[in-house]
Amino acid sequence: GENVEQHPSTLSVQEGDSAVIKCTYSDSASNYFPWYKQELGKRPQLIIDIRSNVGEKKDQRIAVTLNKTAKHFSLHITETQPEDSAVYFCAASIRGNSGYALNFGKGTSLLVTP
Amino acid sequence: NAGVTQTPKFQVLKTGQSMTLQCAQDMNHNSMYWYRQDPGMGLRLIYYSASEGTTDKGEVPNGYNVSRLNKREFSLRLESAAPSQTSVYFCASSRPTSYEQYFGPGTRLTVT
Repeated sequence: GENVEQHPSTLSVQEGDSAVIKCTYSDSASNYFPWYKQELGKRPQLIIDIRSNVGEKKDQRIAVTLNKTAKHFSLHITETQPEDSAVYFCAASIRGNSGYALNFGKGTSLLVTP
Repeated sequence: NAGVTQTPKFQVLKTGQSMTLQCAQDMNHNSMYWYRQDPGMGLRLIYYSASEGTTDKGEVPNGYNVSRLNKREFSLRLESAAPSQTSVYFCASSRPTSYEQYFGPGTRLTVT
């Protein structure tokens, strides 16, 4: 399938600092870009998403930006807290024969140290 | 609402054995998905189903079959398990007007 590249694979920040995770995608037809957070042993949970007709979206300490021309999007977490420690996945929508699905990046393990 | 449920939670198989992973959702979603998650590999799509009676291959379909039994249920079958299929399997579903996917709790499968 079409690739979604995610960087970095691990990220360590101090509490209160900002964290940025970047993704690139290759399918120009992708038009939906979600971010999921997965805590250890739990299921992935959607934290924010953006559609291709929007360049930026913010929800409290979390923001996502999208550059469709360059085919990349980023997750920004400000004022990080220890409970933000988790694995974060980006994804891009893909169109199959019968419907839509998501291609996921390989994940970023974020550690926020007090 | 229970959301997306999966059974079993854990399973150990011997190489060559078969089994079916069950997934059900009670949110009246049209689309359902099966992913596998391996360390450092993210979530890889195995199969998905946009509606009852339709299925599509994802990135890693080899060694698996699926059945969309009805709108609620989407099962994943391993006919002859191999150690390379040791993984955590997640089922997900989404509404027809939304891309947002809701995940089940996962099944941890070990093949020895």
